[in-house]
Amino acid sequence: GAGVSQSPSNKVTEKGKDVELRCDPISGHTALYWYRQSLGQGLEFLIYFQGNSAPDKSGLPSDRFSAERTGGSVSTLTIQRTQQEDSAVYLCASSLKASGRFQGELFFGEGSRLTVL
Amino acid sequence: QKEVEQNSGPLSVPEGAIASLNCTYSDRGSQSFFWYRQYSGKSPELIMFIYSNGDKEDGRFTAQLNKASQYVSLLIRDSQPSDSATYLCAEKYSGGGADGLTFGKGTHLIIQP
Repeated sequence: GAGVSQSPSNKVTEKGKDVELRCDPISGHTALYWYRQSLGQGLEFLIYFQGNSAPDKSGLPSDRFSAERTGGSVSTLTIQRTQQEDSAVYLCASSLKASGRFQGELFFGEGSRLTVL
Repeated sequence: QKEVEQNSGPLSVPEGAIASLNCTYSDRGSQSFFWYRQYSGKSPELIMFIYSNGDKEDGRFTAQLNKASQYVSLLIRDSQPSDSATYLCAEKYSGGGADGLTFGKGTHLIIQP
């Protein structure tokens, strides 16, 4: 019955290192989203997974970013060769399609705050 | 490219007054709109949604949609200090196998005691 769980809550890394951020969605939610929120900015869409369909990767800012979702549940967002501009809060959200339709309610995790030195 | 525009604020409103938050959108075909509230350091949570032209009321909150003018508003009556937060406007998109929300940058609301 838990909400969306993300880890780590905080990550400090050096420029050039790779990082992995994890998201465990609400059980039974078929859709999973990754967003990025920089200081004072809105939510920037990164990637969307829906069931077994091919993910919508249209929001990934560069090929250093990738994500996977194993078994239709847990997702990992990987950032390779991190840059200072990658510093942000990375938010994961999940949702349920009722009667096959997206209703518009996203349930967000508490986010992973990434700081690249 | 769908766009949702909001004034970033901060919008400062005295306690007990009505706070009015506005949002405009670019896609005339958009049908569904959502208001999320985000407290500092926390994740966004849904507070209202509206699909039809006109007003929708829920407690102290009223969402207004004007499709002809392409704007959405959120009114908060009897504002409380606990309403101080960033309010994110979002529109729903569906199609091509993808469903989701496009968010505005949010309006930072401050309720002054």
